[in-house]
Amino acid sequence: ELKVEQNPLFLSMQEGKNYTIYCNYSTTSDRLYWYRQDPGKSLESLFVLLSNGAVKQEGRLMASLDTKARLSTLHITAAVHDLSATYLCGTSYGKLTFGQGTILTVHP
Amino acid sequence: AAGVIQSPRHLIKEKRETATLKCYPIPRHDTVYWYQQGPGQDPQFLISFYEKMQSDKGSIPDRFSAQQFSDYHSELNMSSLELGDSALYFCASSTSRDSYGSEQYFGPGTRLTVT
Repeated sequence: ELKVEQNPLFLSMQEGKNYTIYCNYSTTSDRLYWYRQDPGKSLESLFVLLSNGAVKQEGRLMASLDTKARLSTLHITAAVHDLSATYLCGTSYGKLTFGQGTILTVHP
Repeated sequence: AAGVIQSPRHLIKEKRETATLKCYPIPRHDTVYWYQQGPGQDPQFLISFYEKMQSDKGSIPDRFSAQQFSDYHSELNMSSLELGDSALYFCASSTSRDSYGSEQYFGPGTRLTVT
């Protein structure tokens, strides 16, 4: 059974601080996706990680993939309020299997 | 750039009624996926189609059926609706690459409310 687990599930951050969201997966598909979802909205693709050691950065977000540990991280640098959203990681074998999502709230 | 189109965006139905959700994939995408997202939950895979054939099936109730047409658009038909079917329904499309799949692009979703 495919399993994807994220932690933490809830993250309250102060603006300007750094934090990391972790995503563990148990599939043989080392293809990892990160999505952002605002309440009631669709999923916005953030990163696609396809190989061991892959690191991608976009603005204040950086994602990495360790296929040996079956672990991906999403690092947030100097958080701002606009980053408040739910972040979902997922792995695919055709269909996407998602983690539970991390609800991020950034406050002043 | 063209995105995935879903219609309707909002739908209100009563229990035991039927509903049809439509999905128009990004041009030249040959694979369509349907996901259901209940309140506070992550999206759950329902069913997928590749080149008009069902390619995978997830936790889709027997009351639901879907198909992909020759123009690659897909429809999700839901019958005998129950209160628990109230959710956001997403369609995603991609190009076929290998058995692991390629990046999926999500539509805006259809919010179904069953009363």
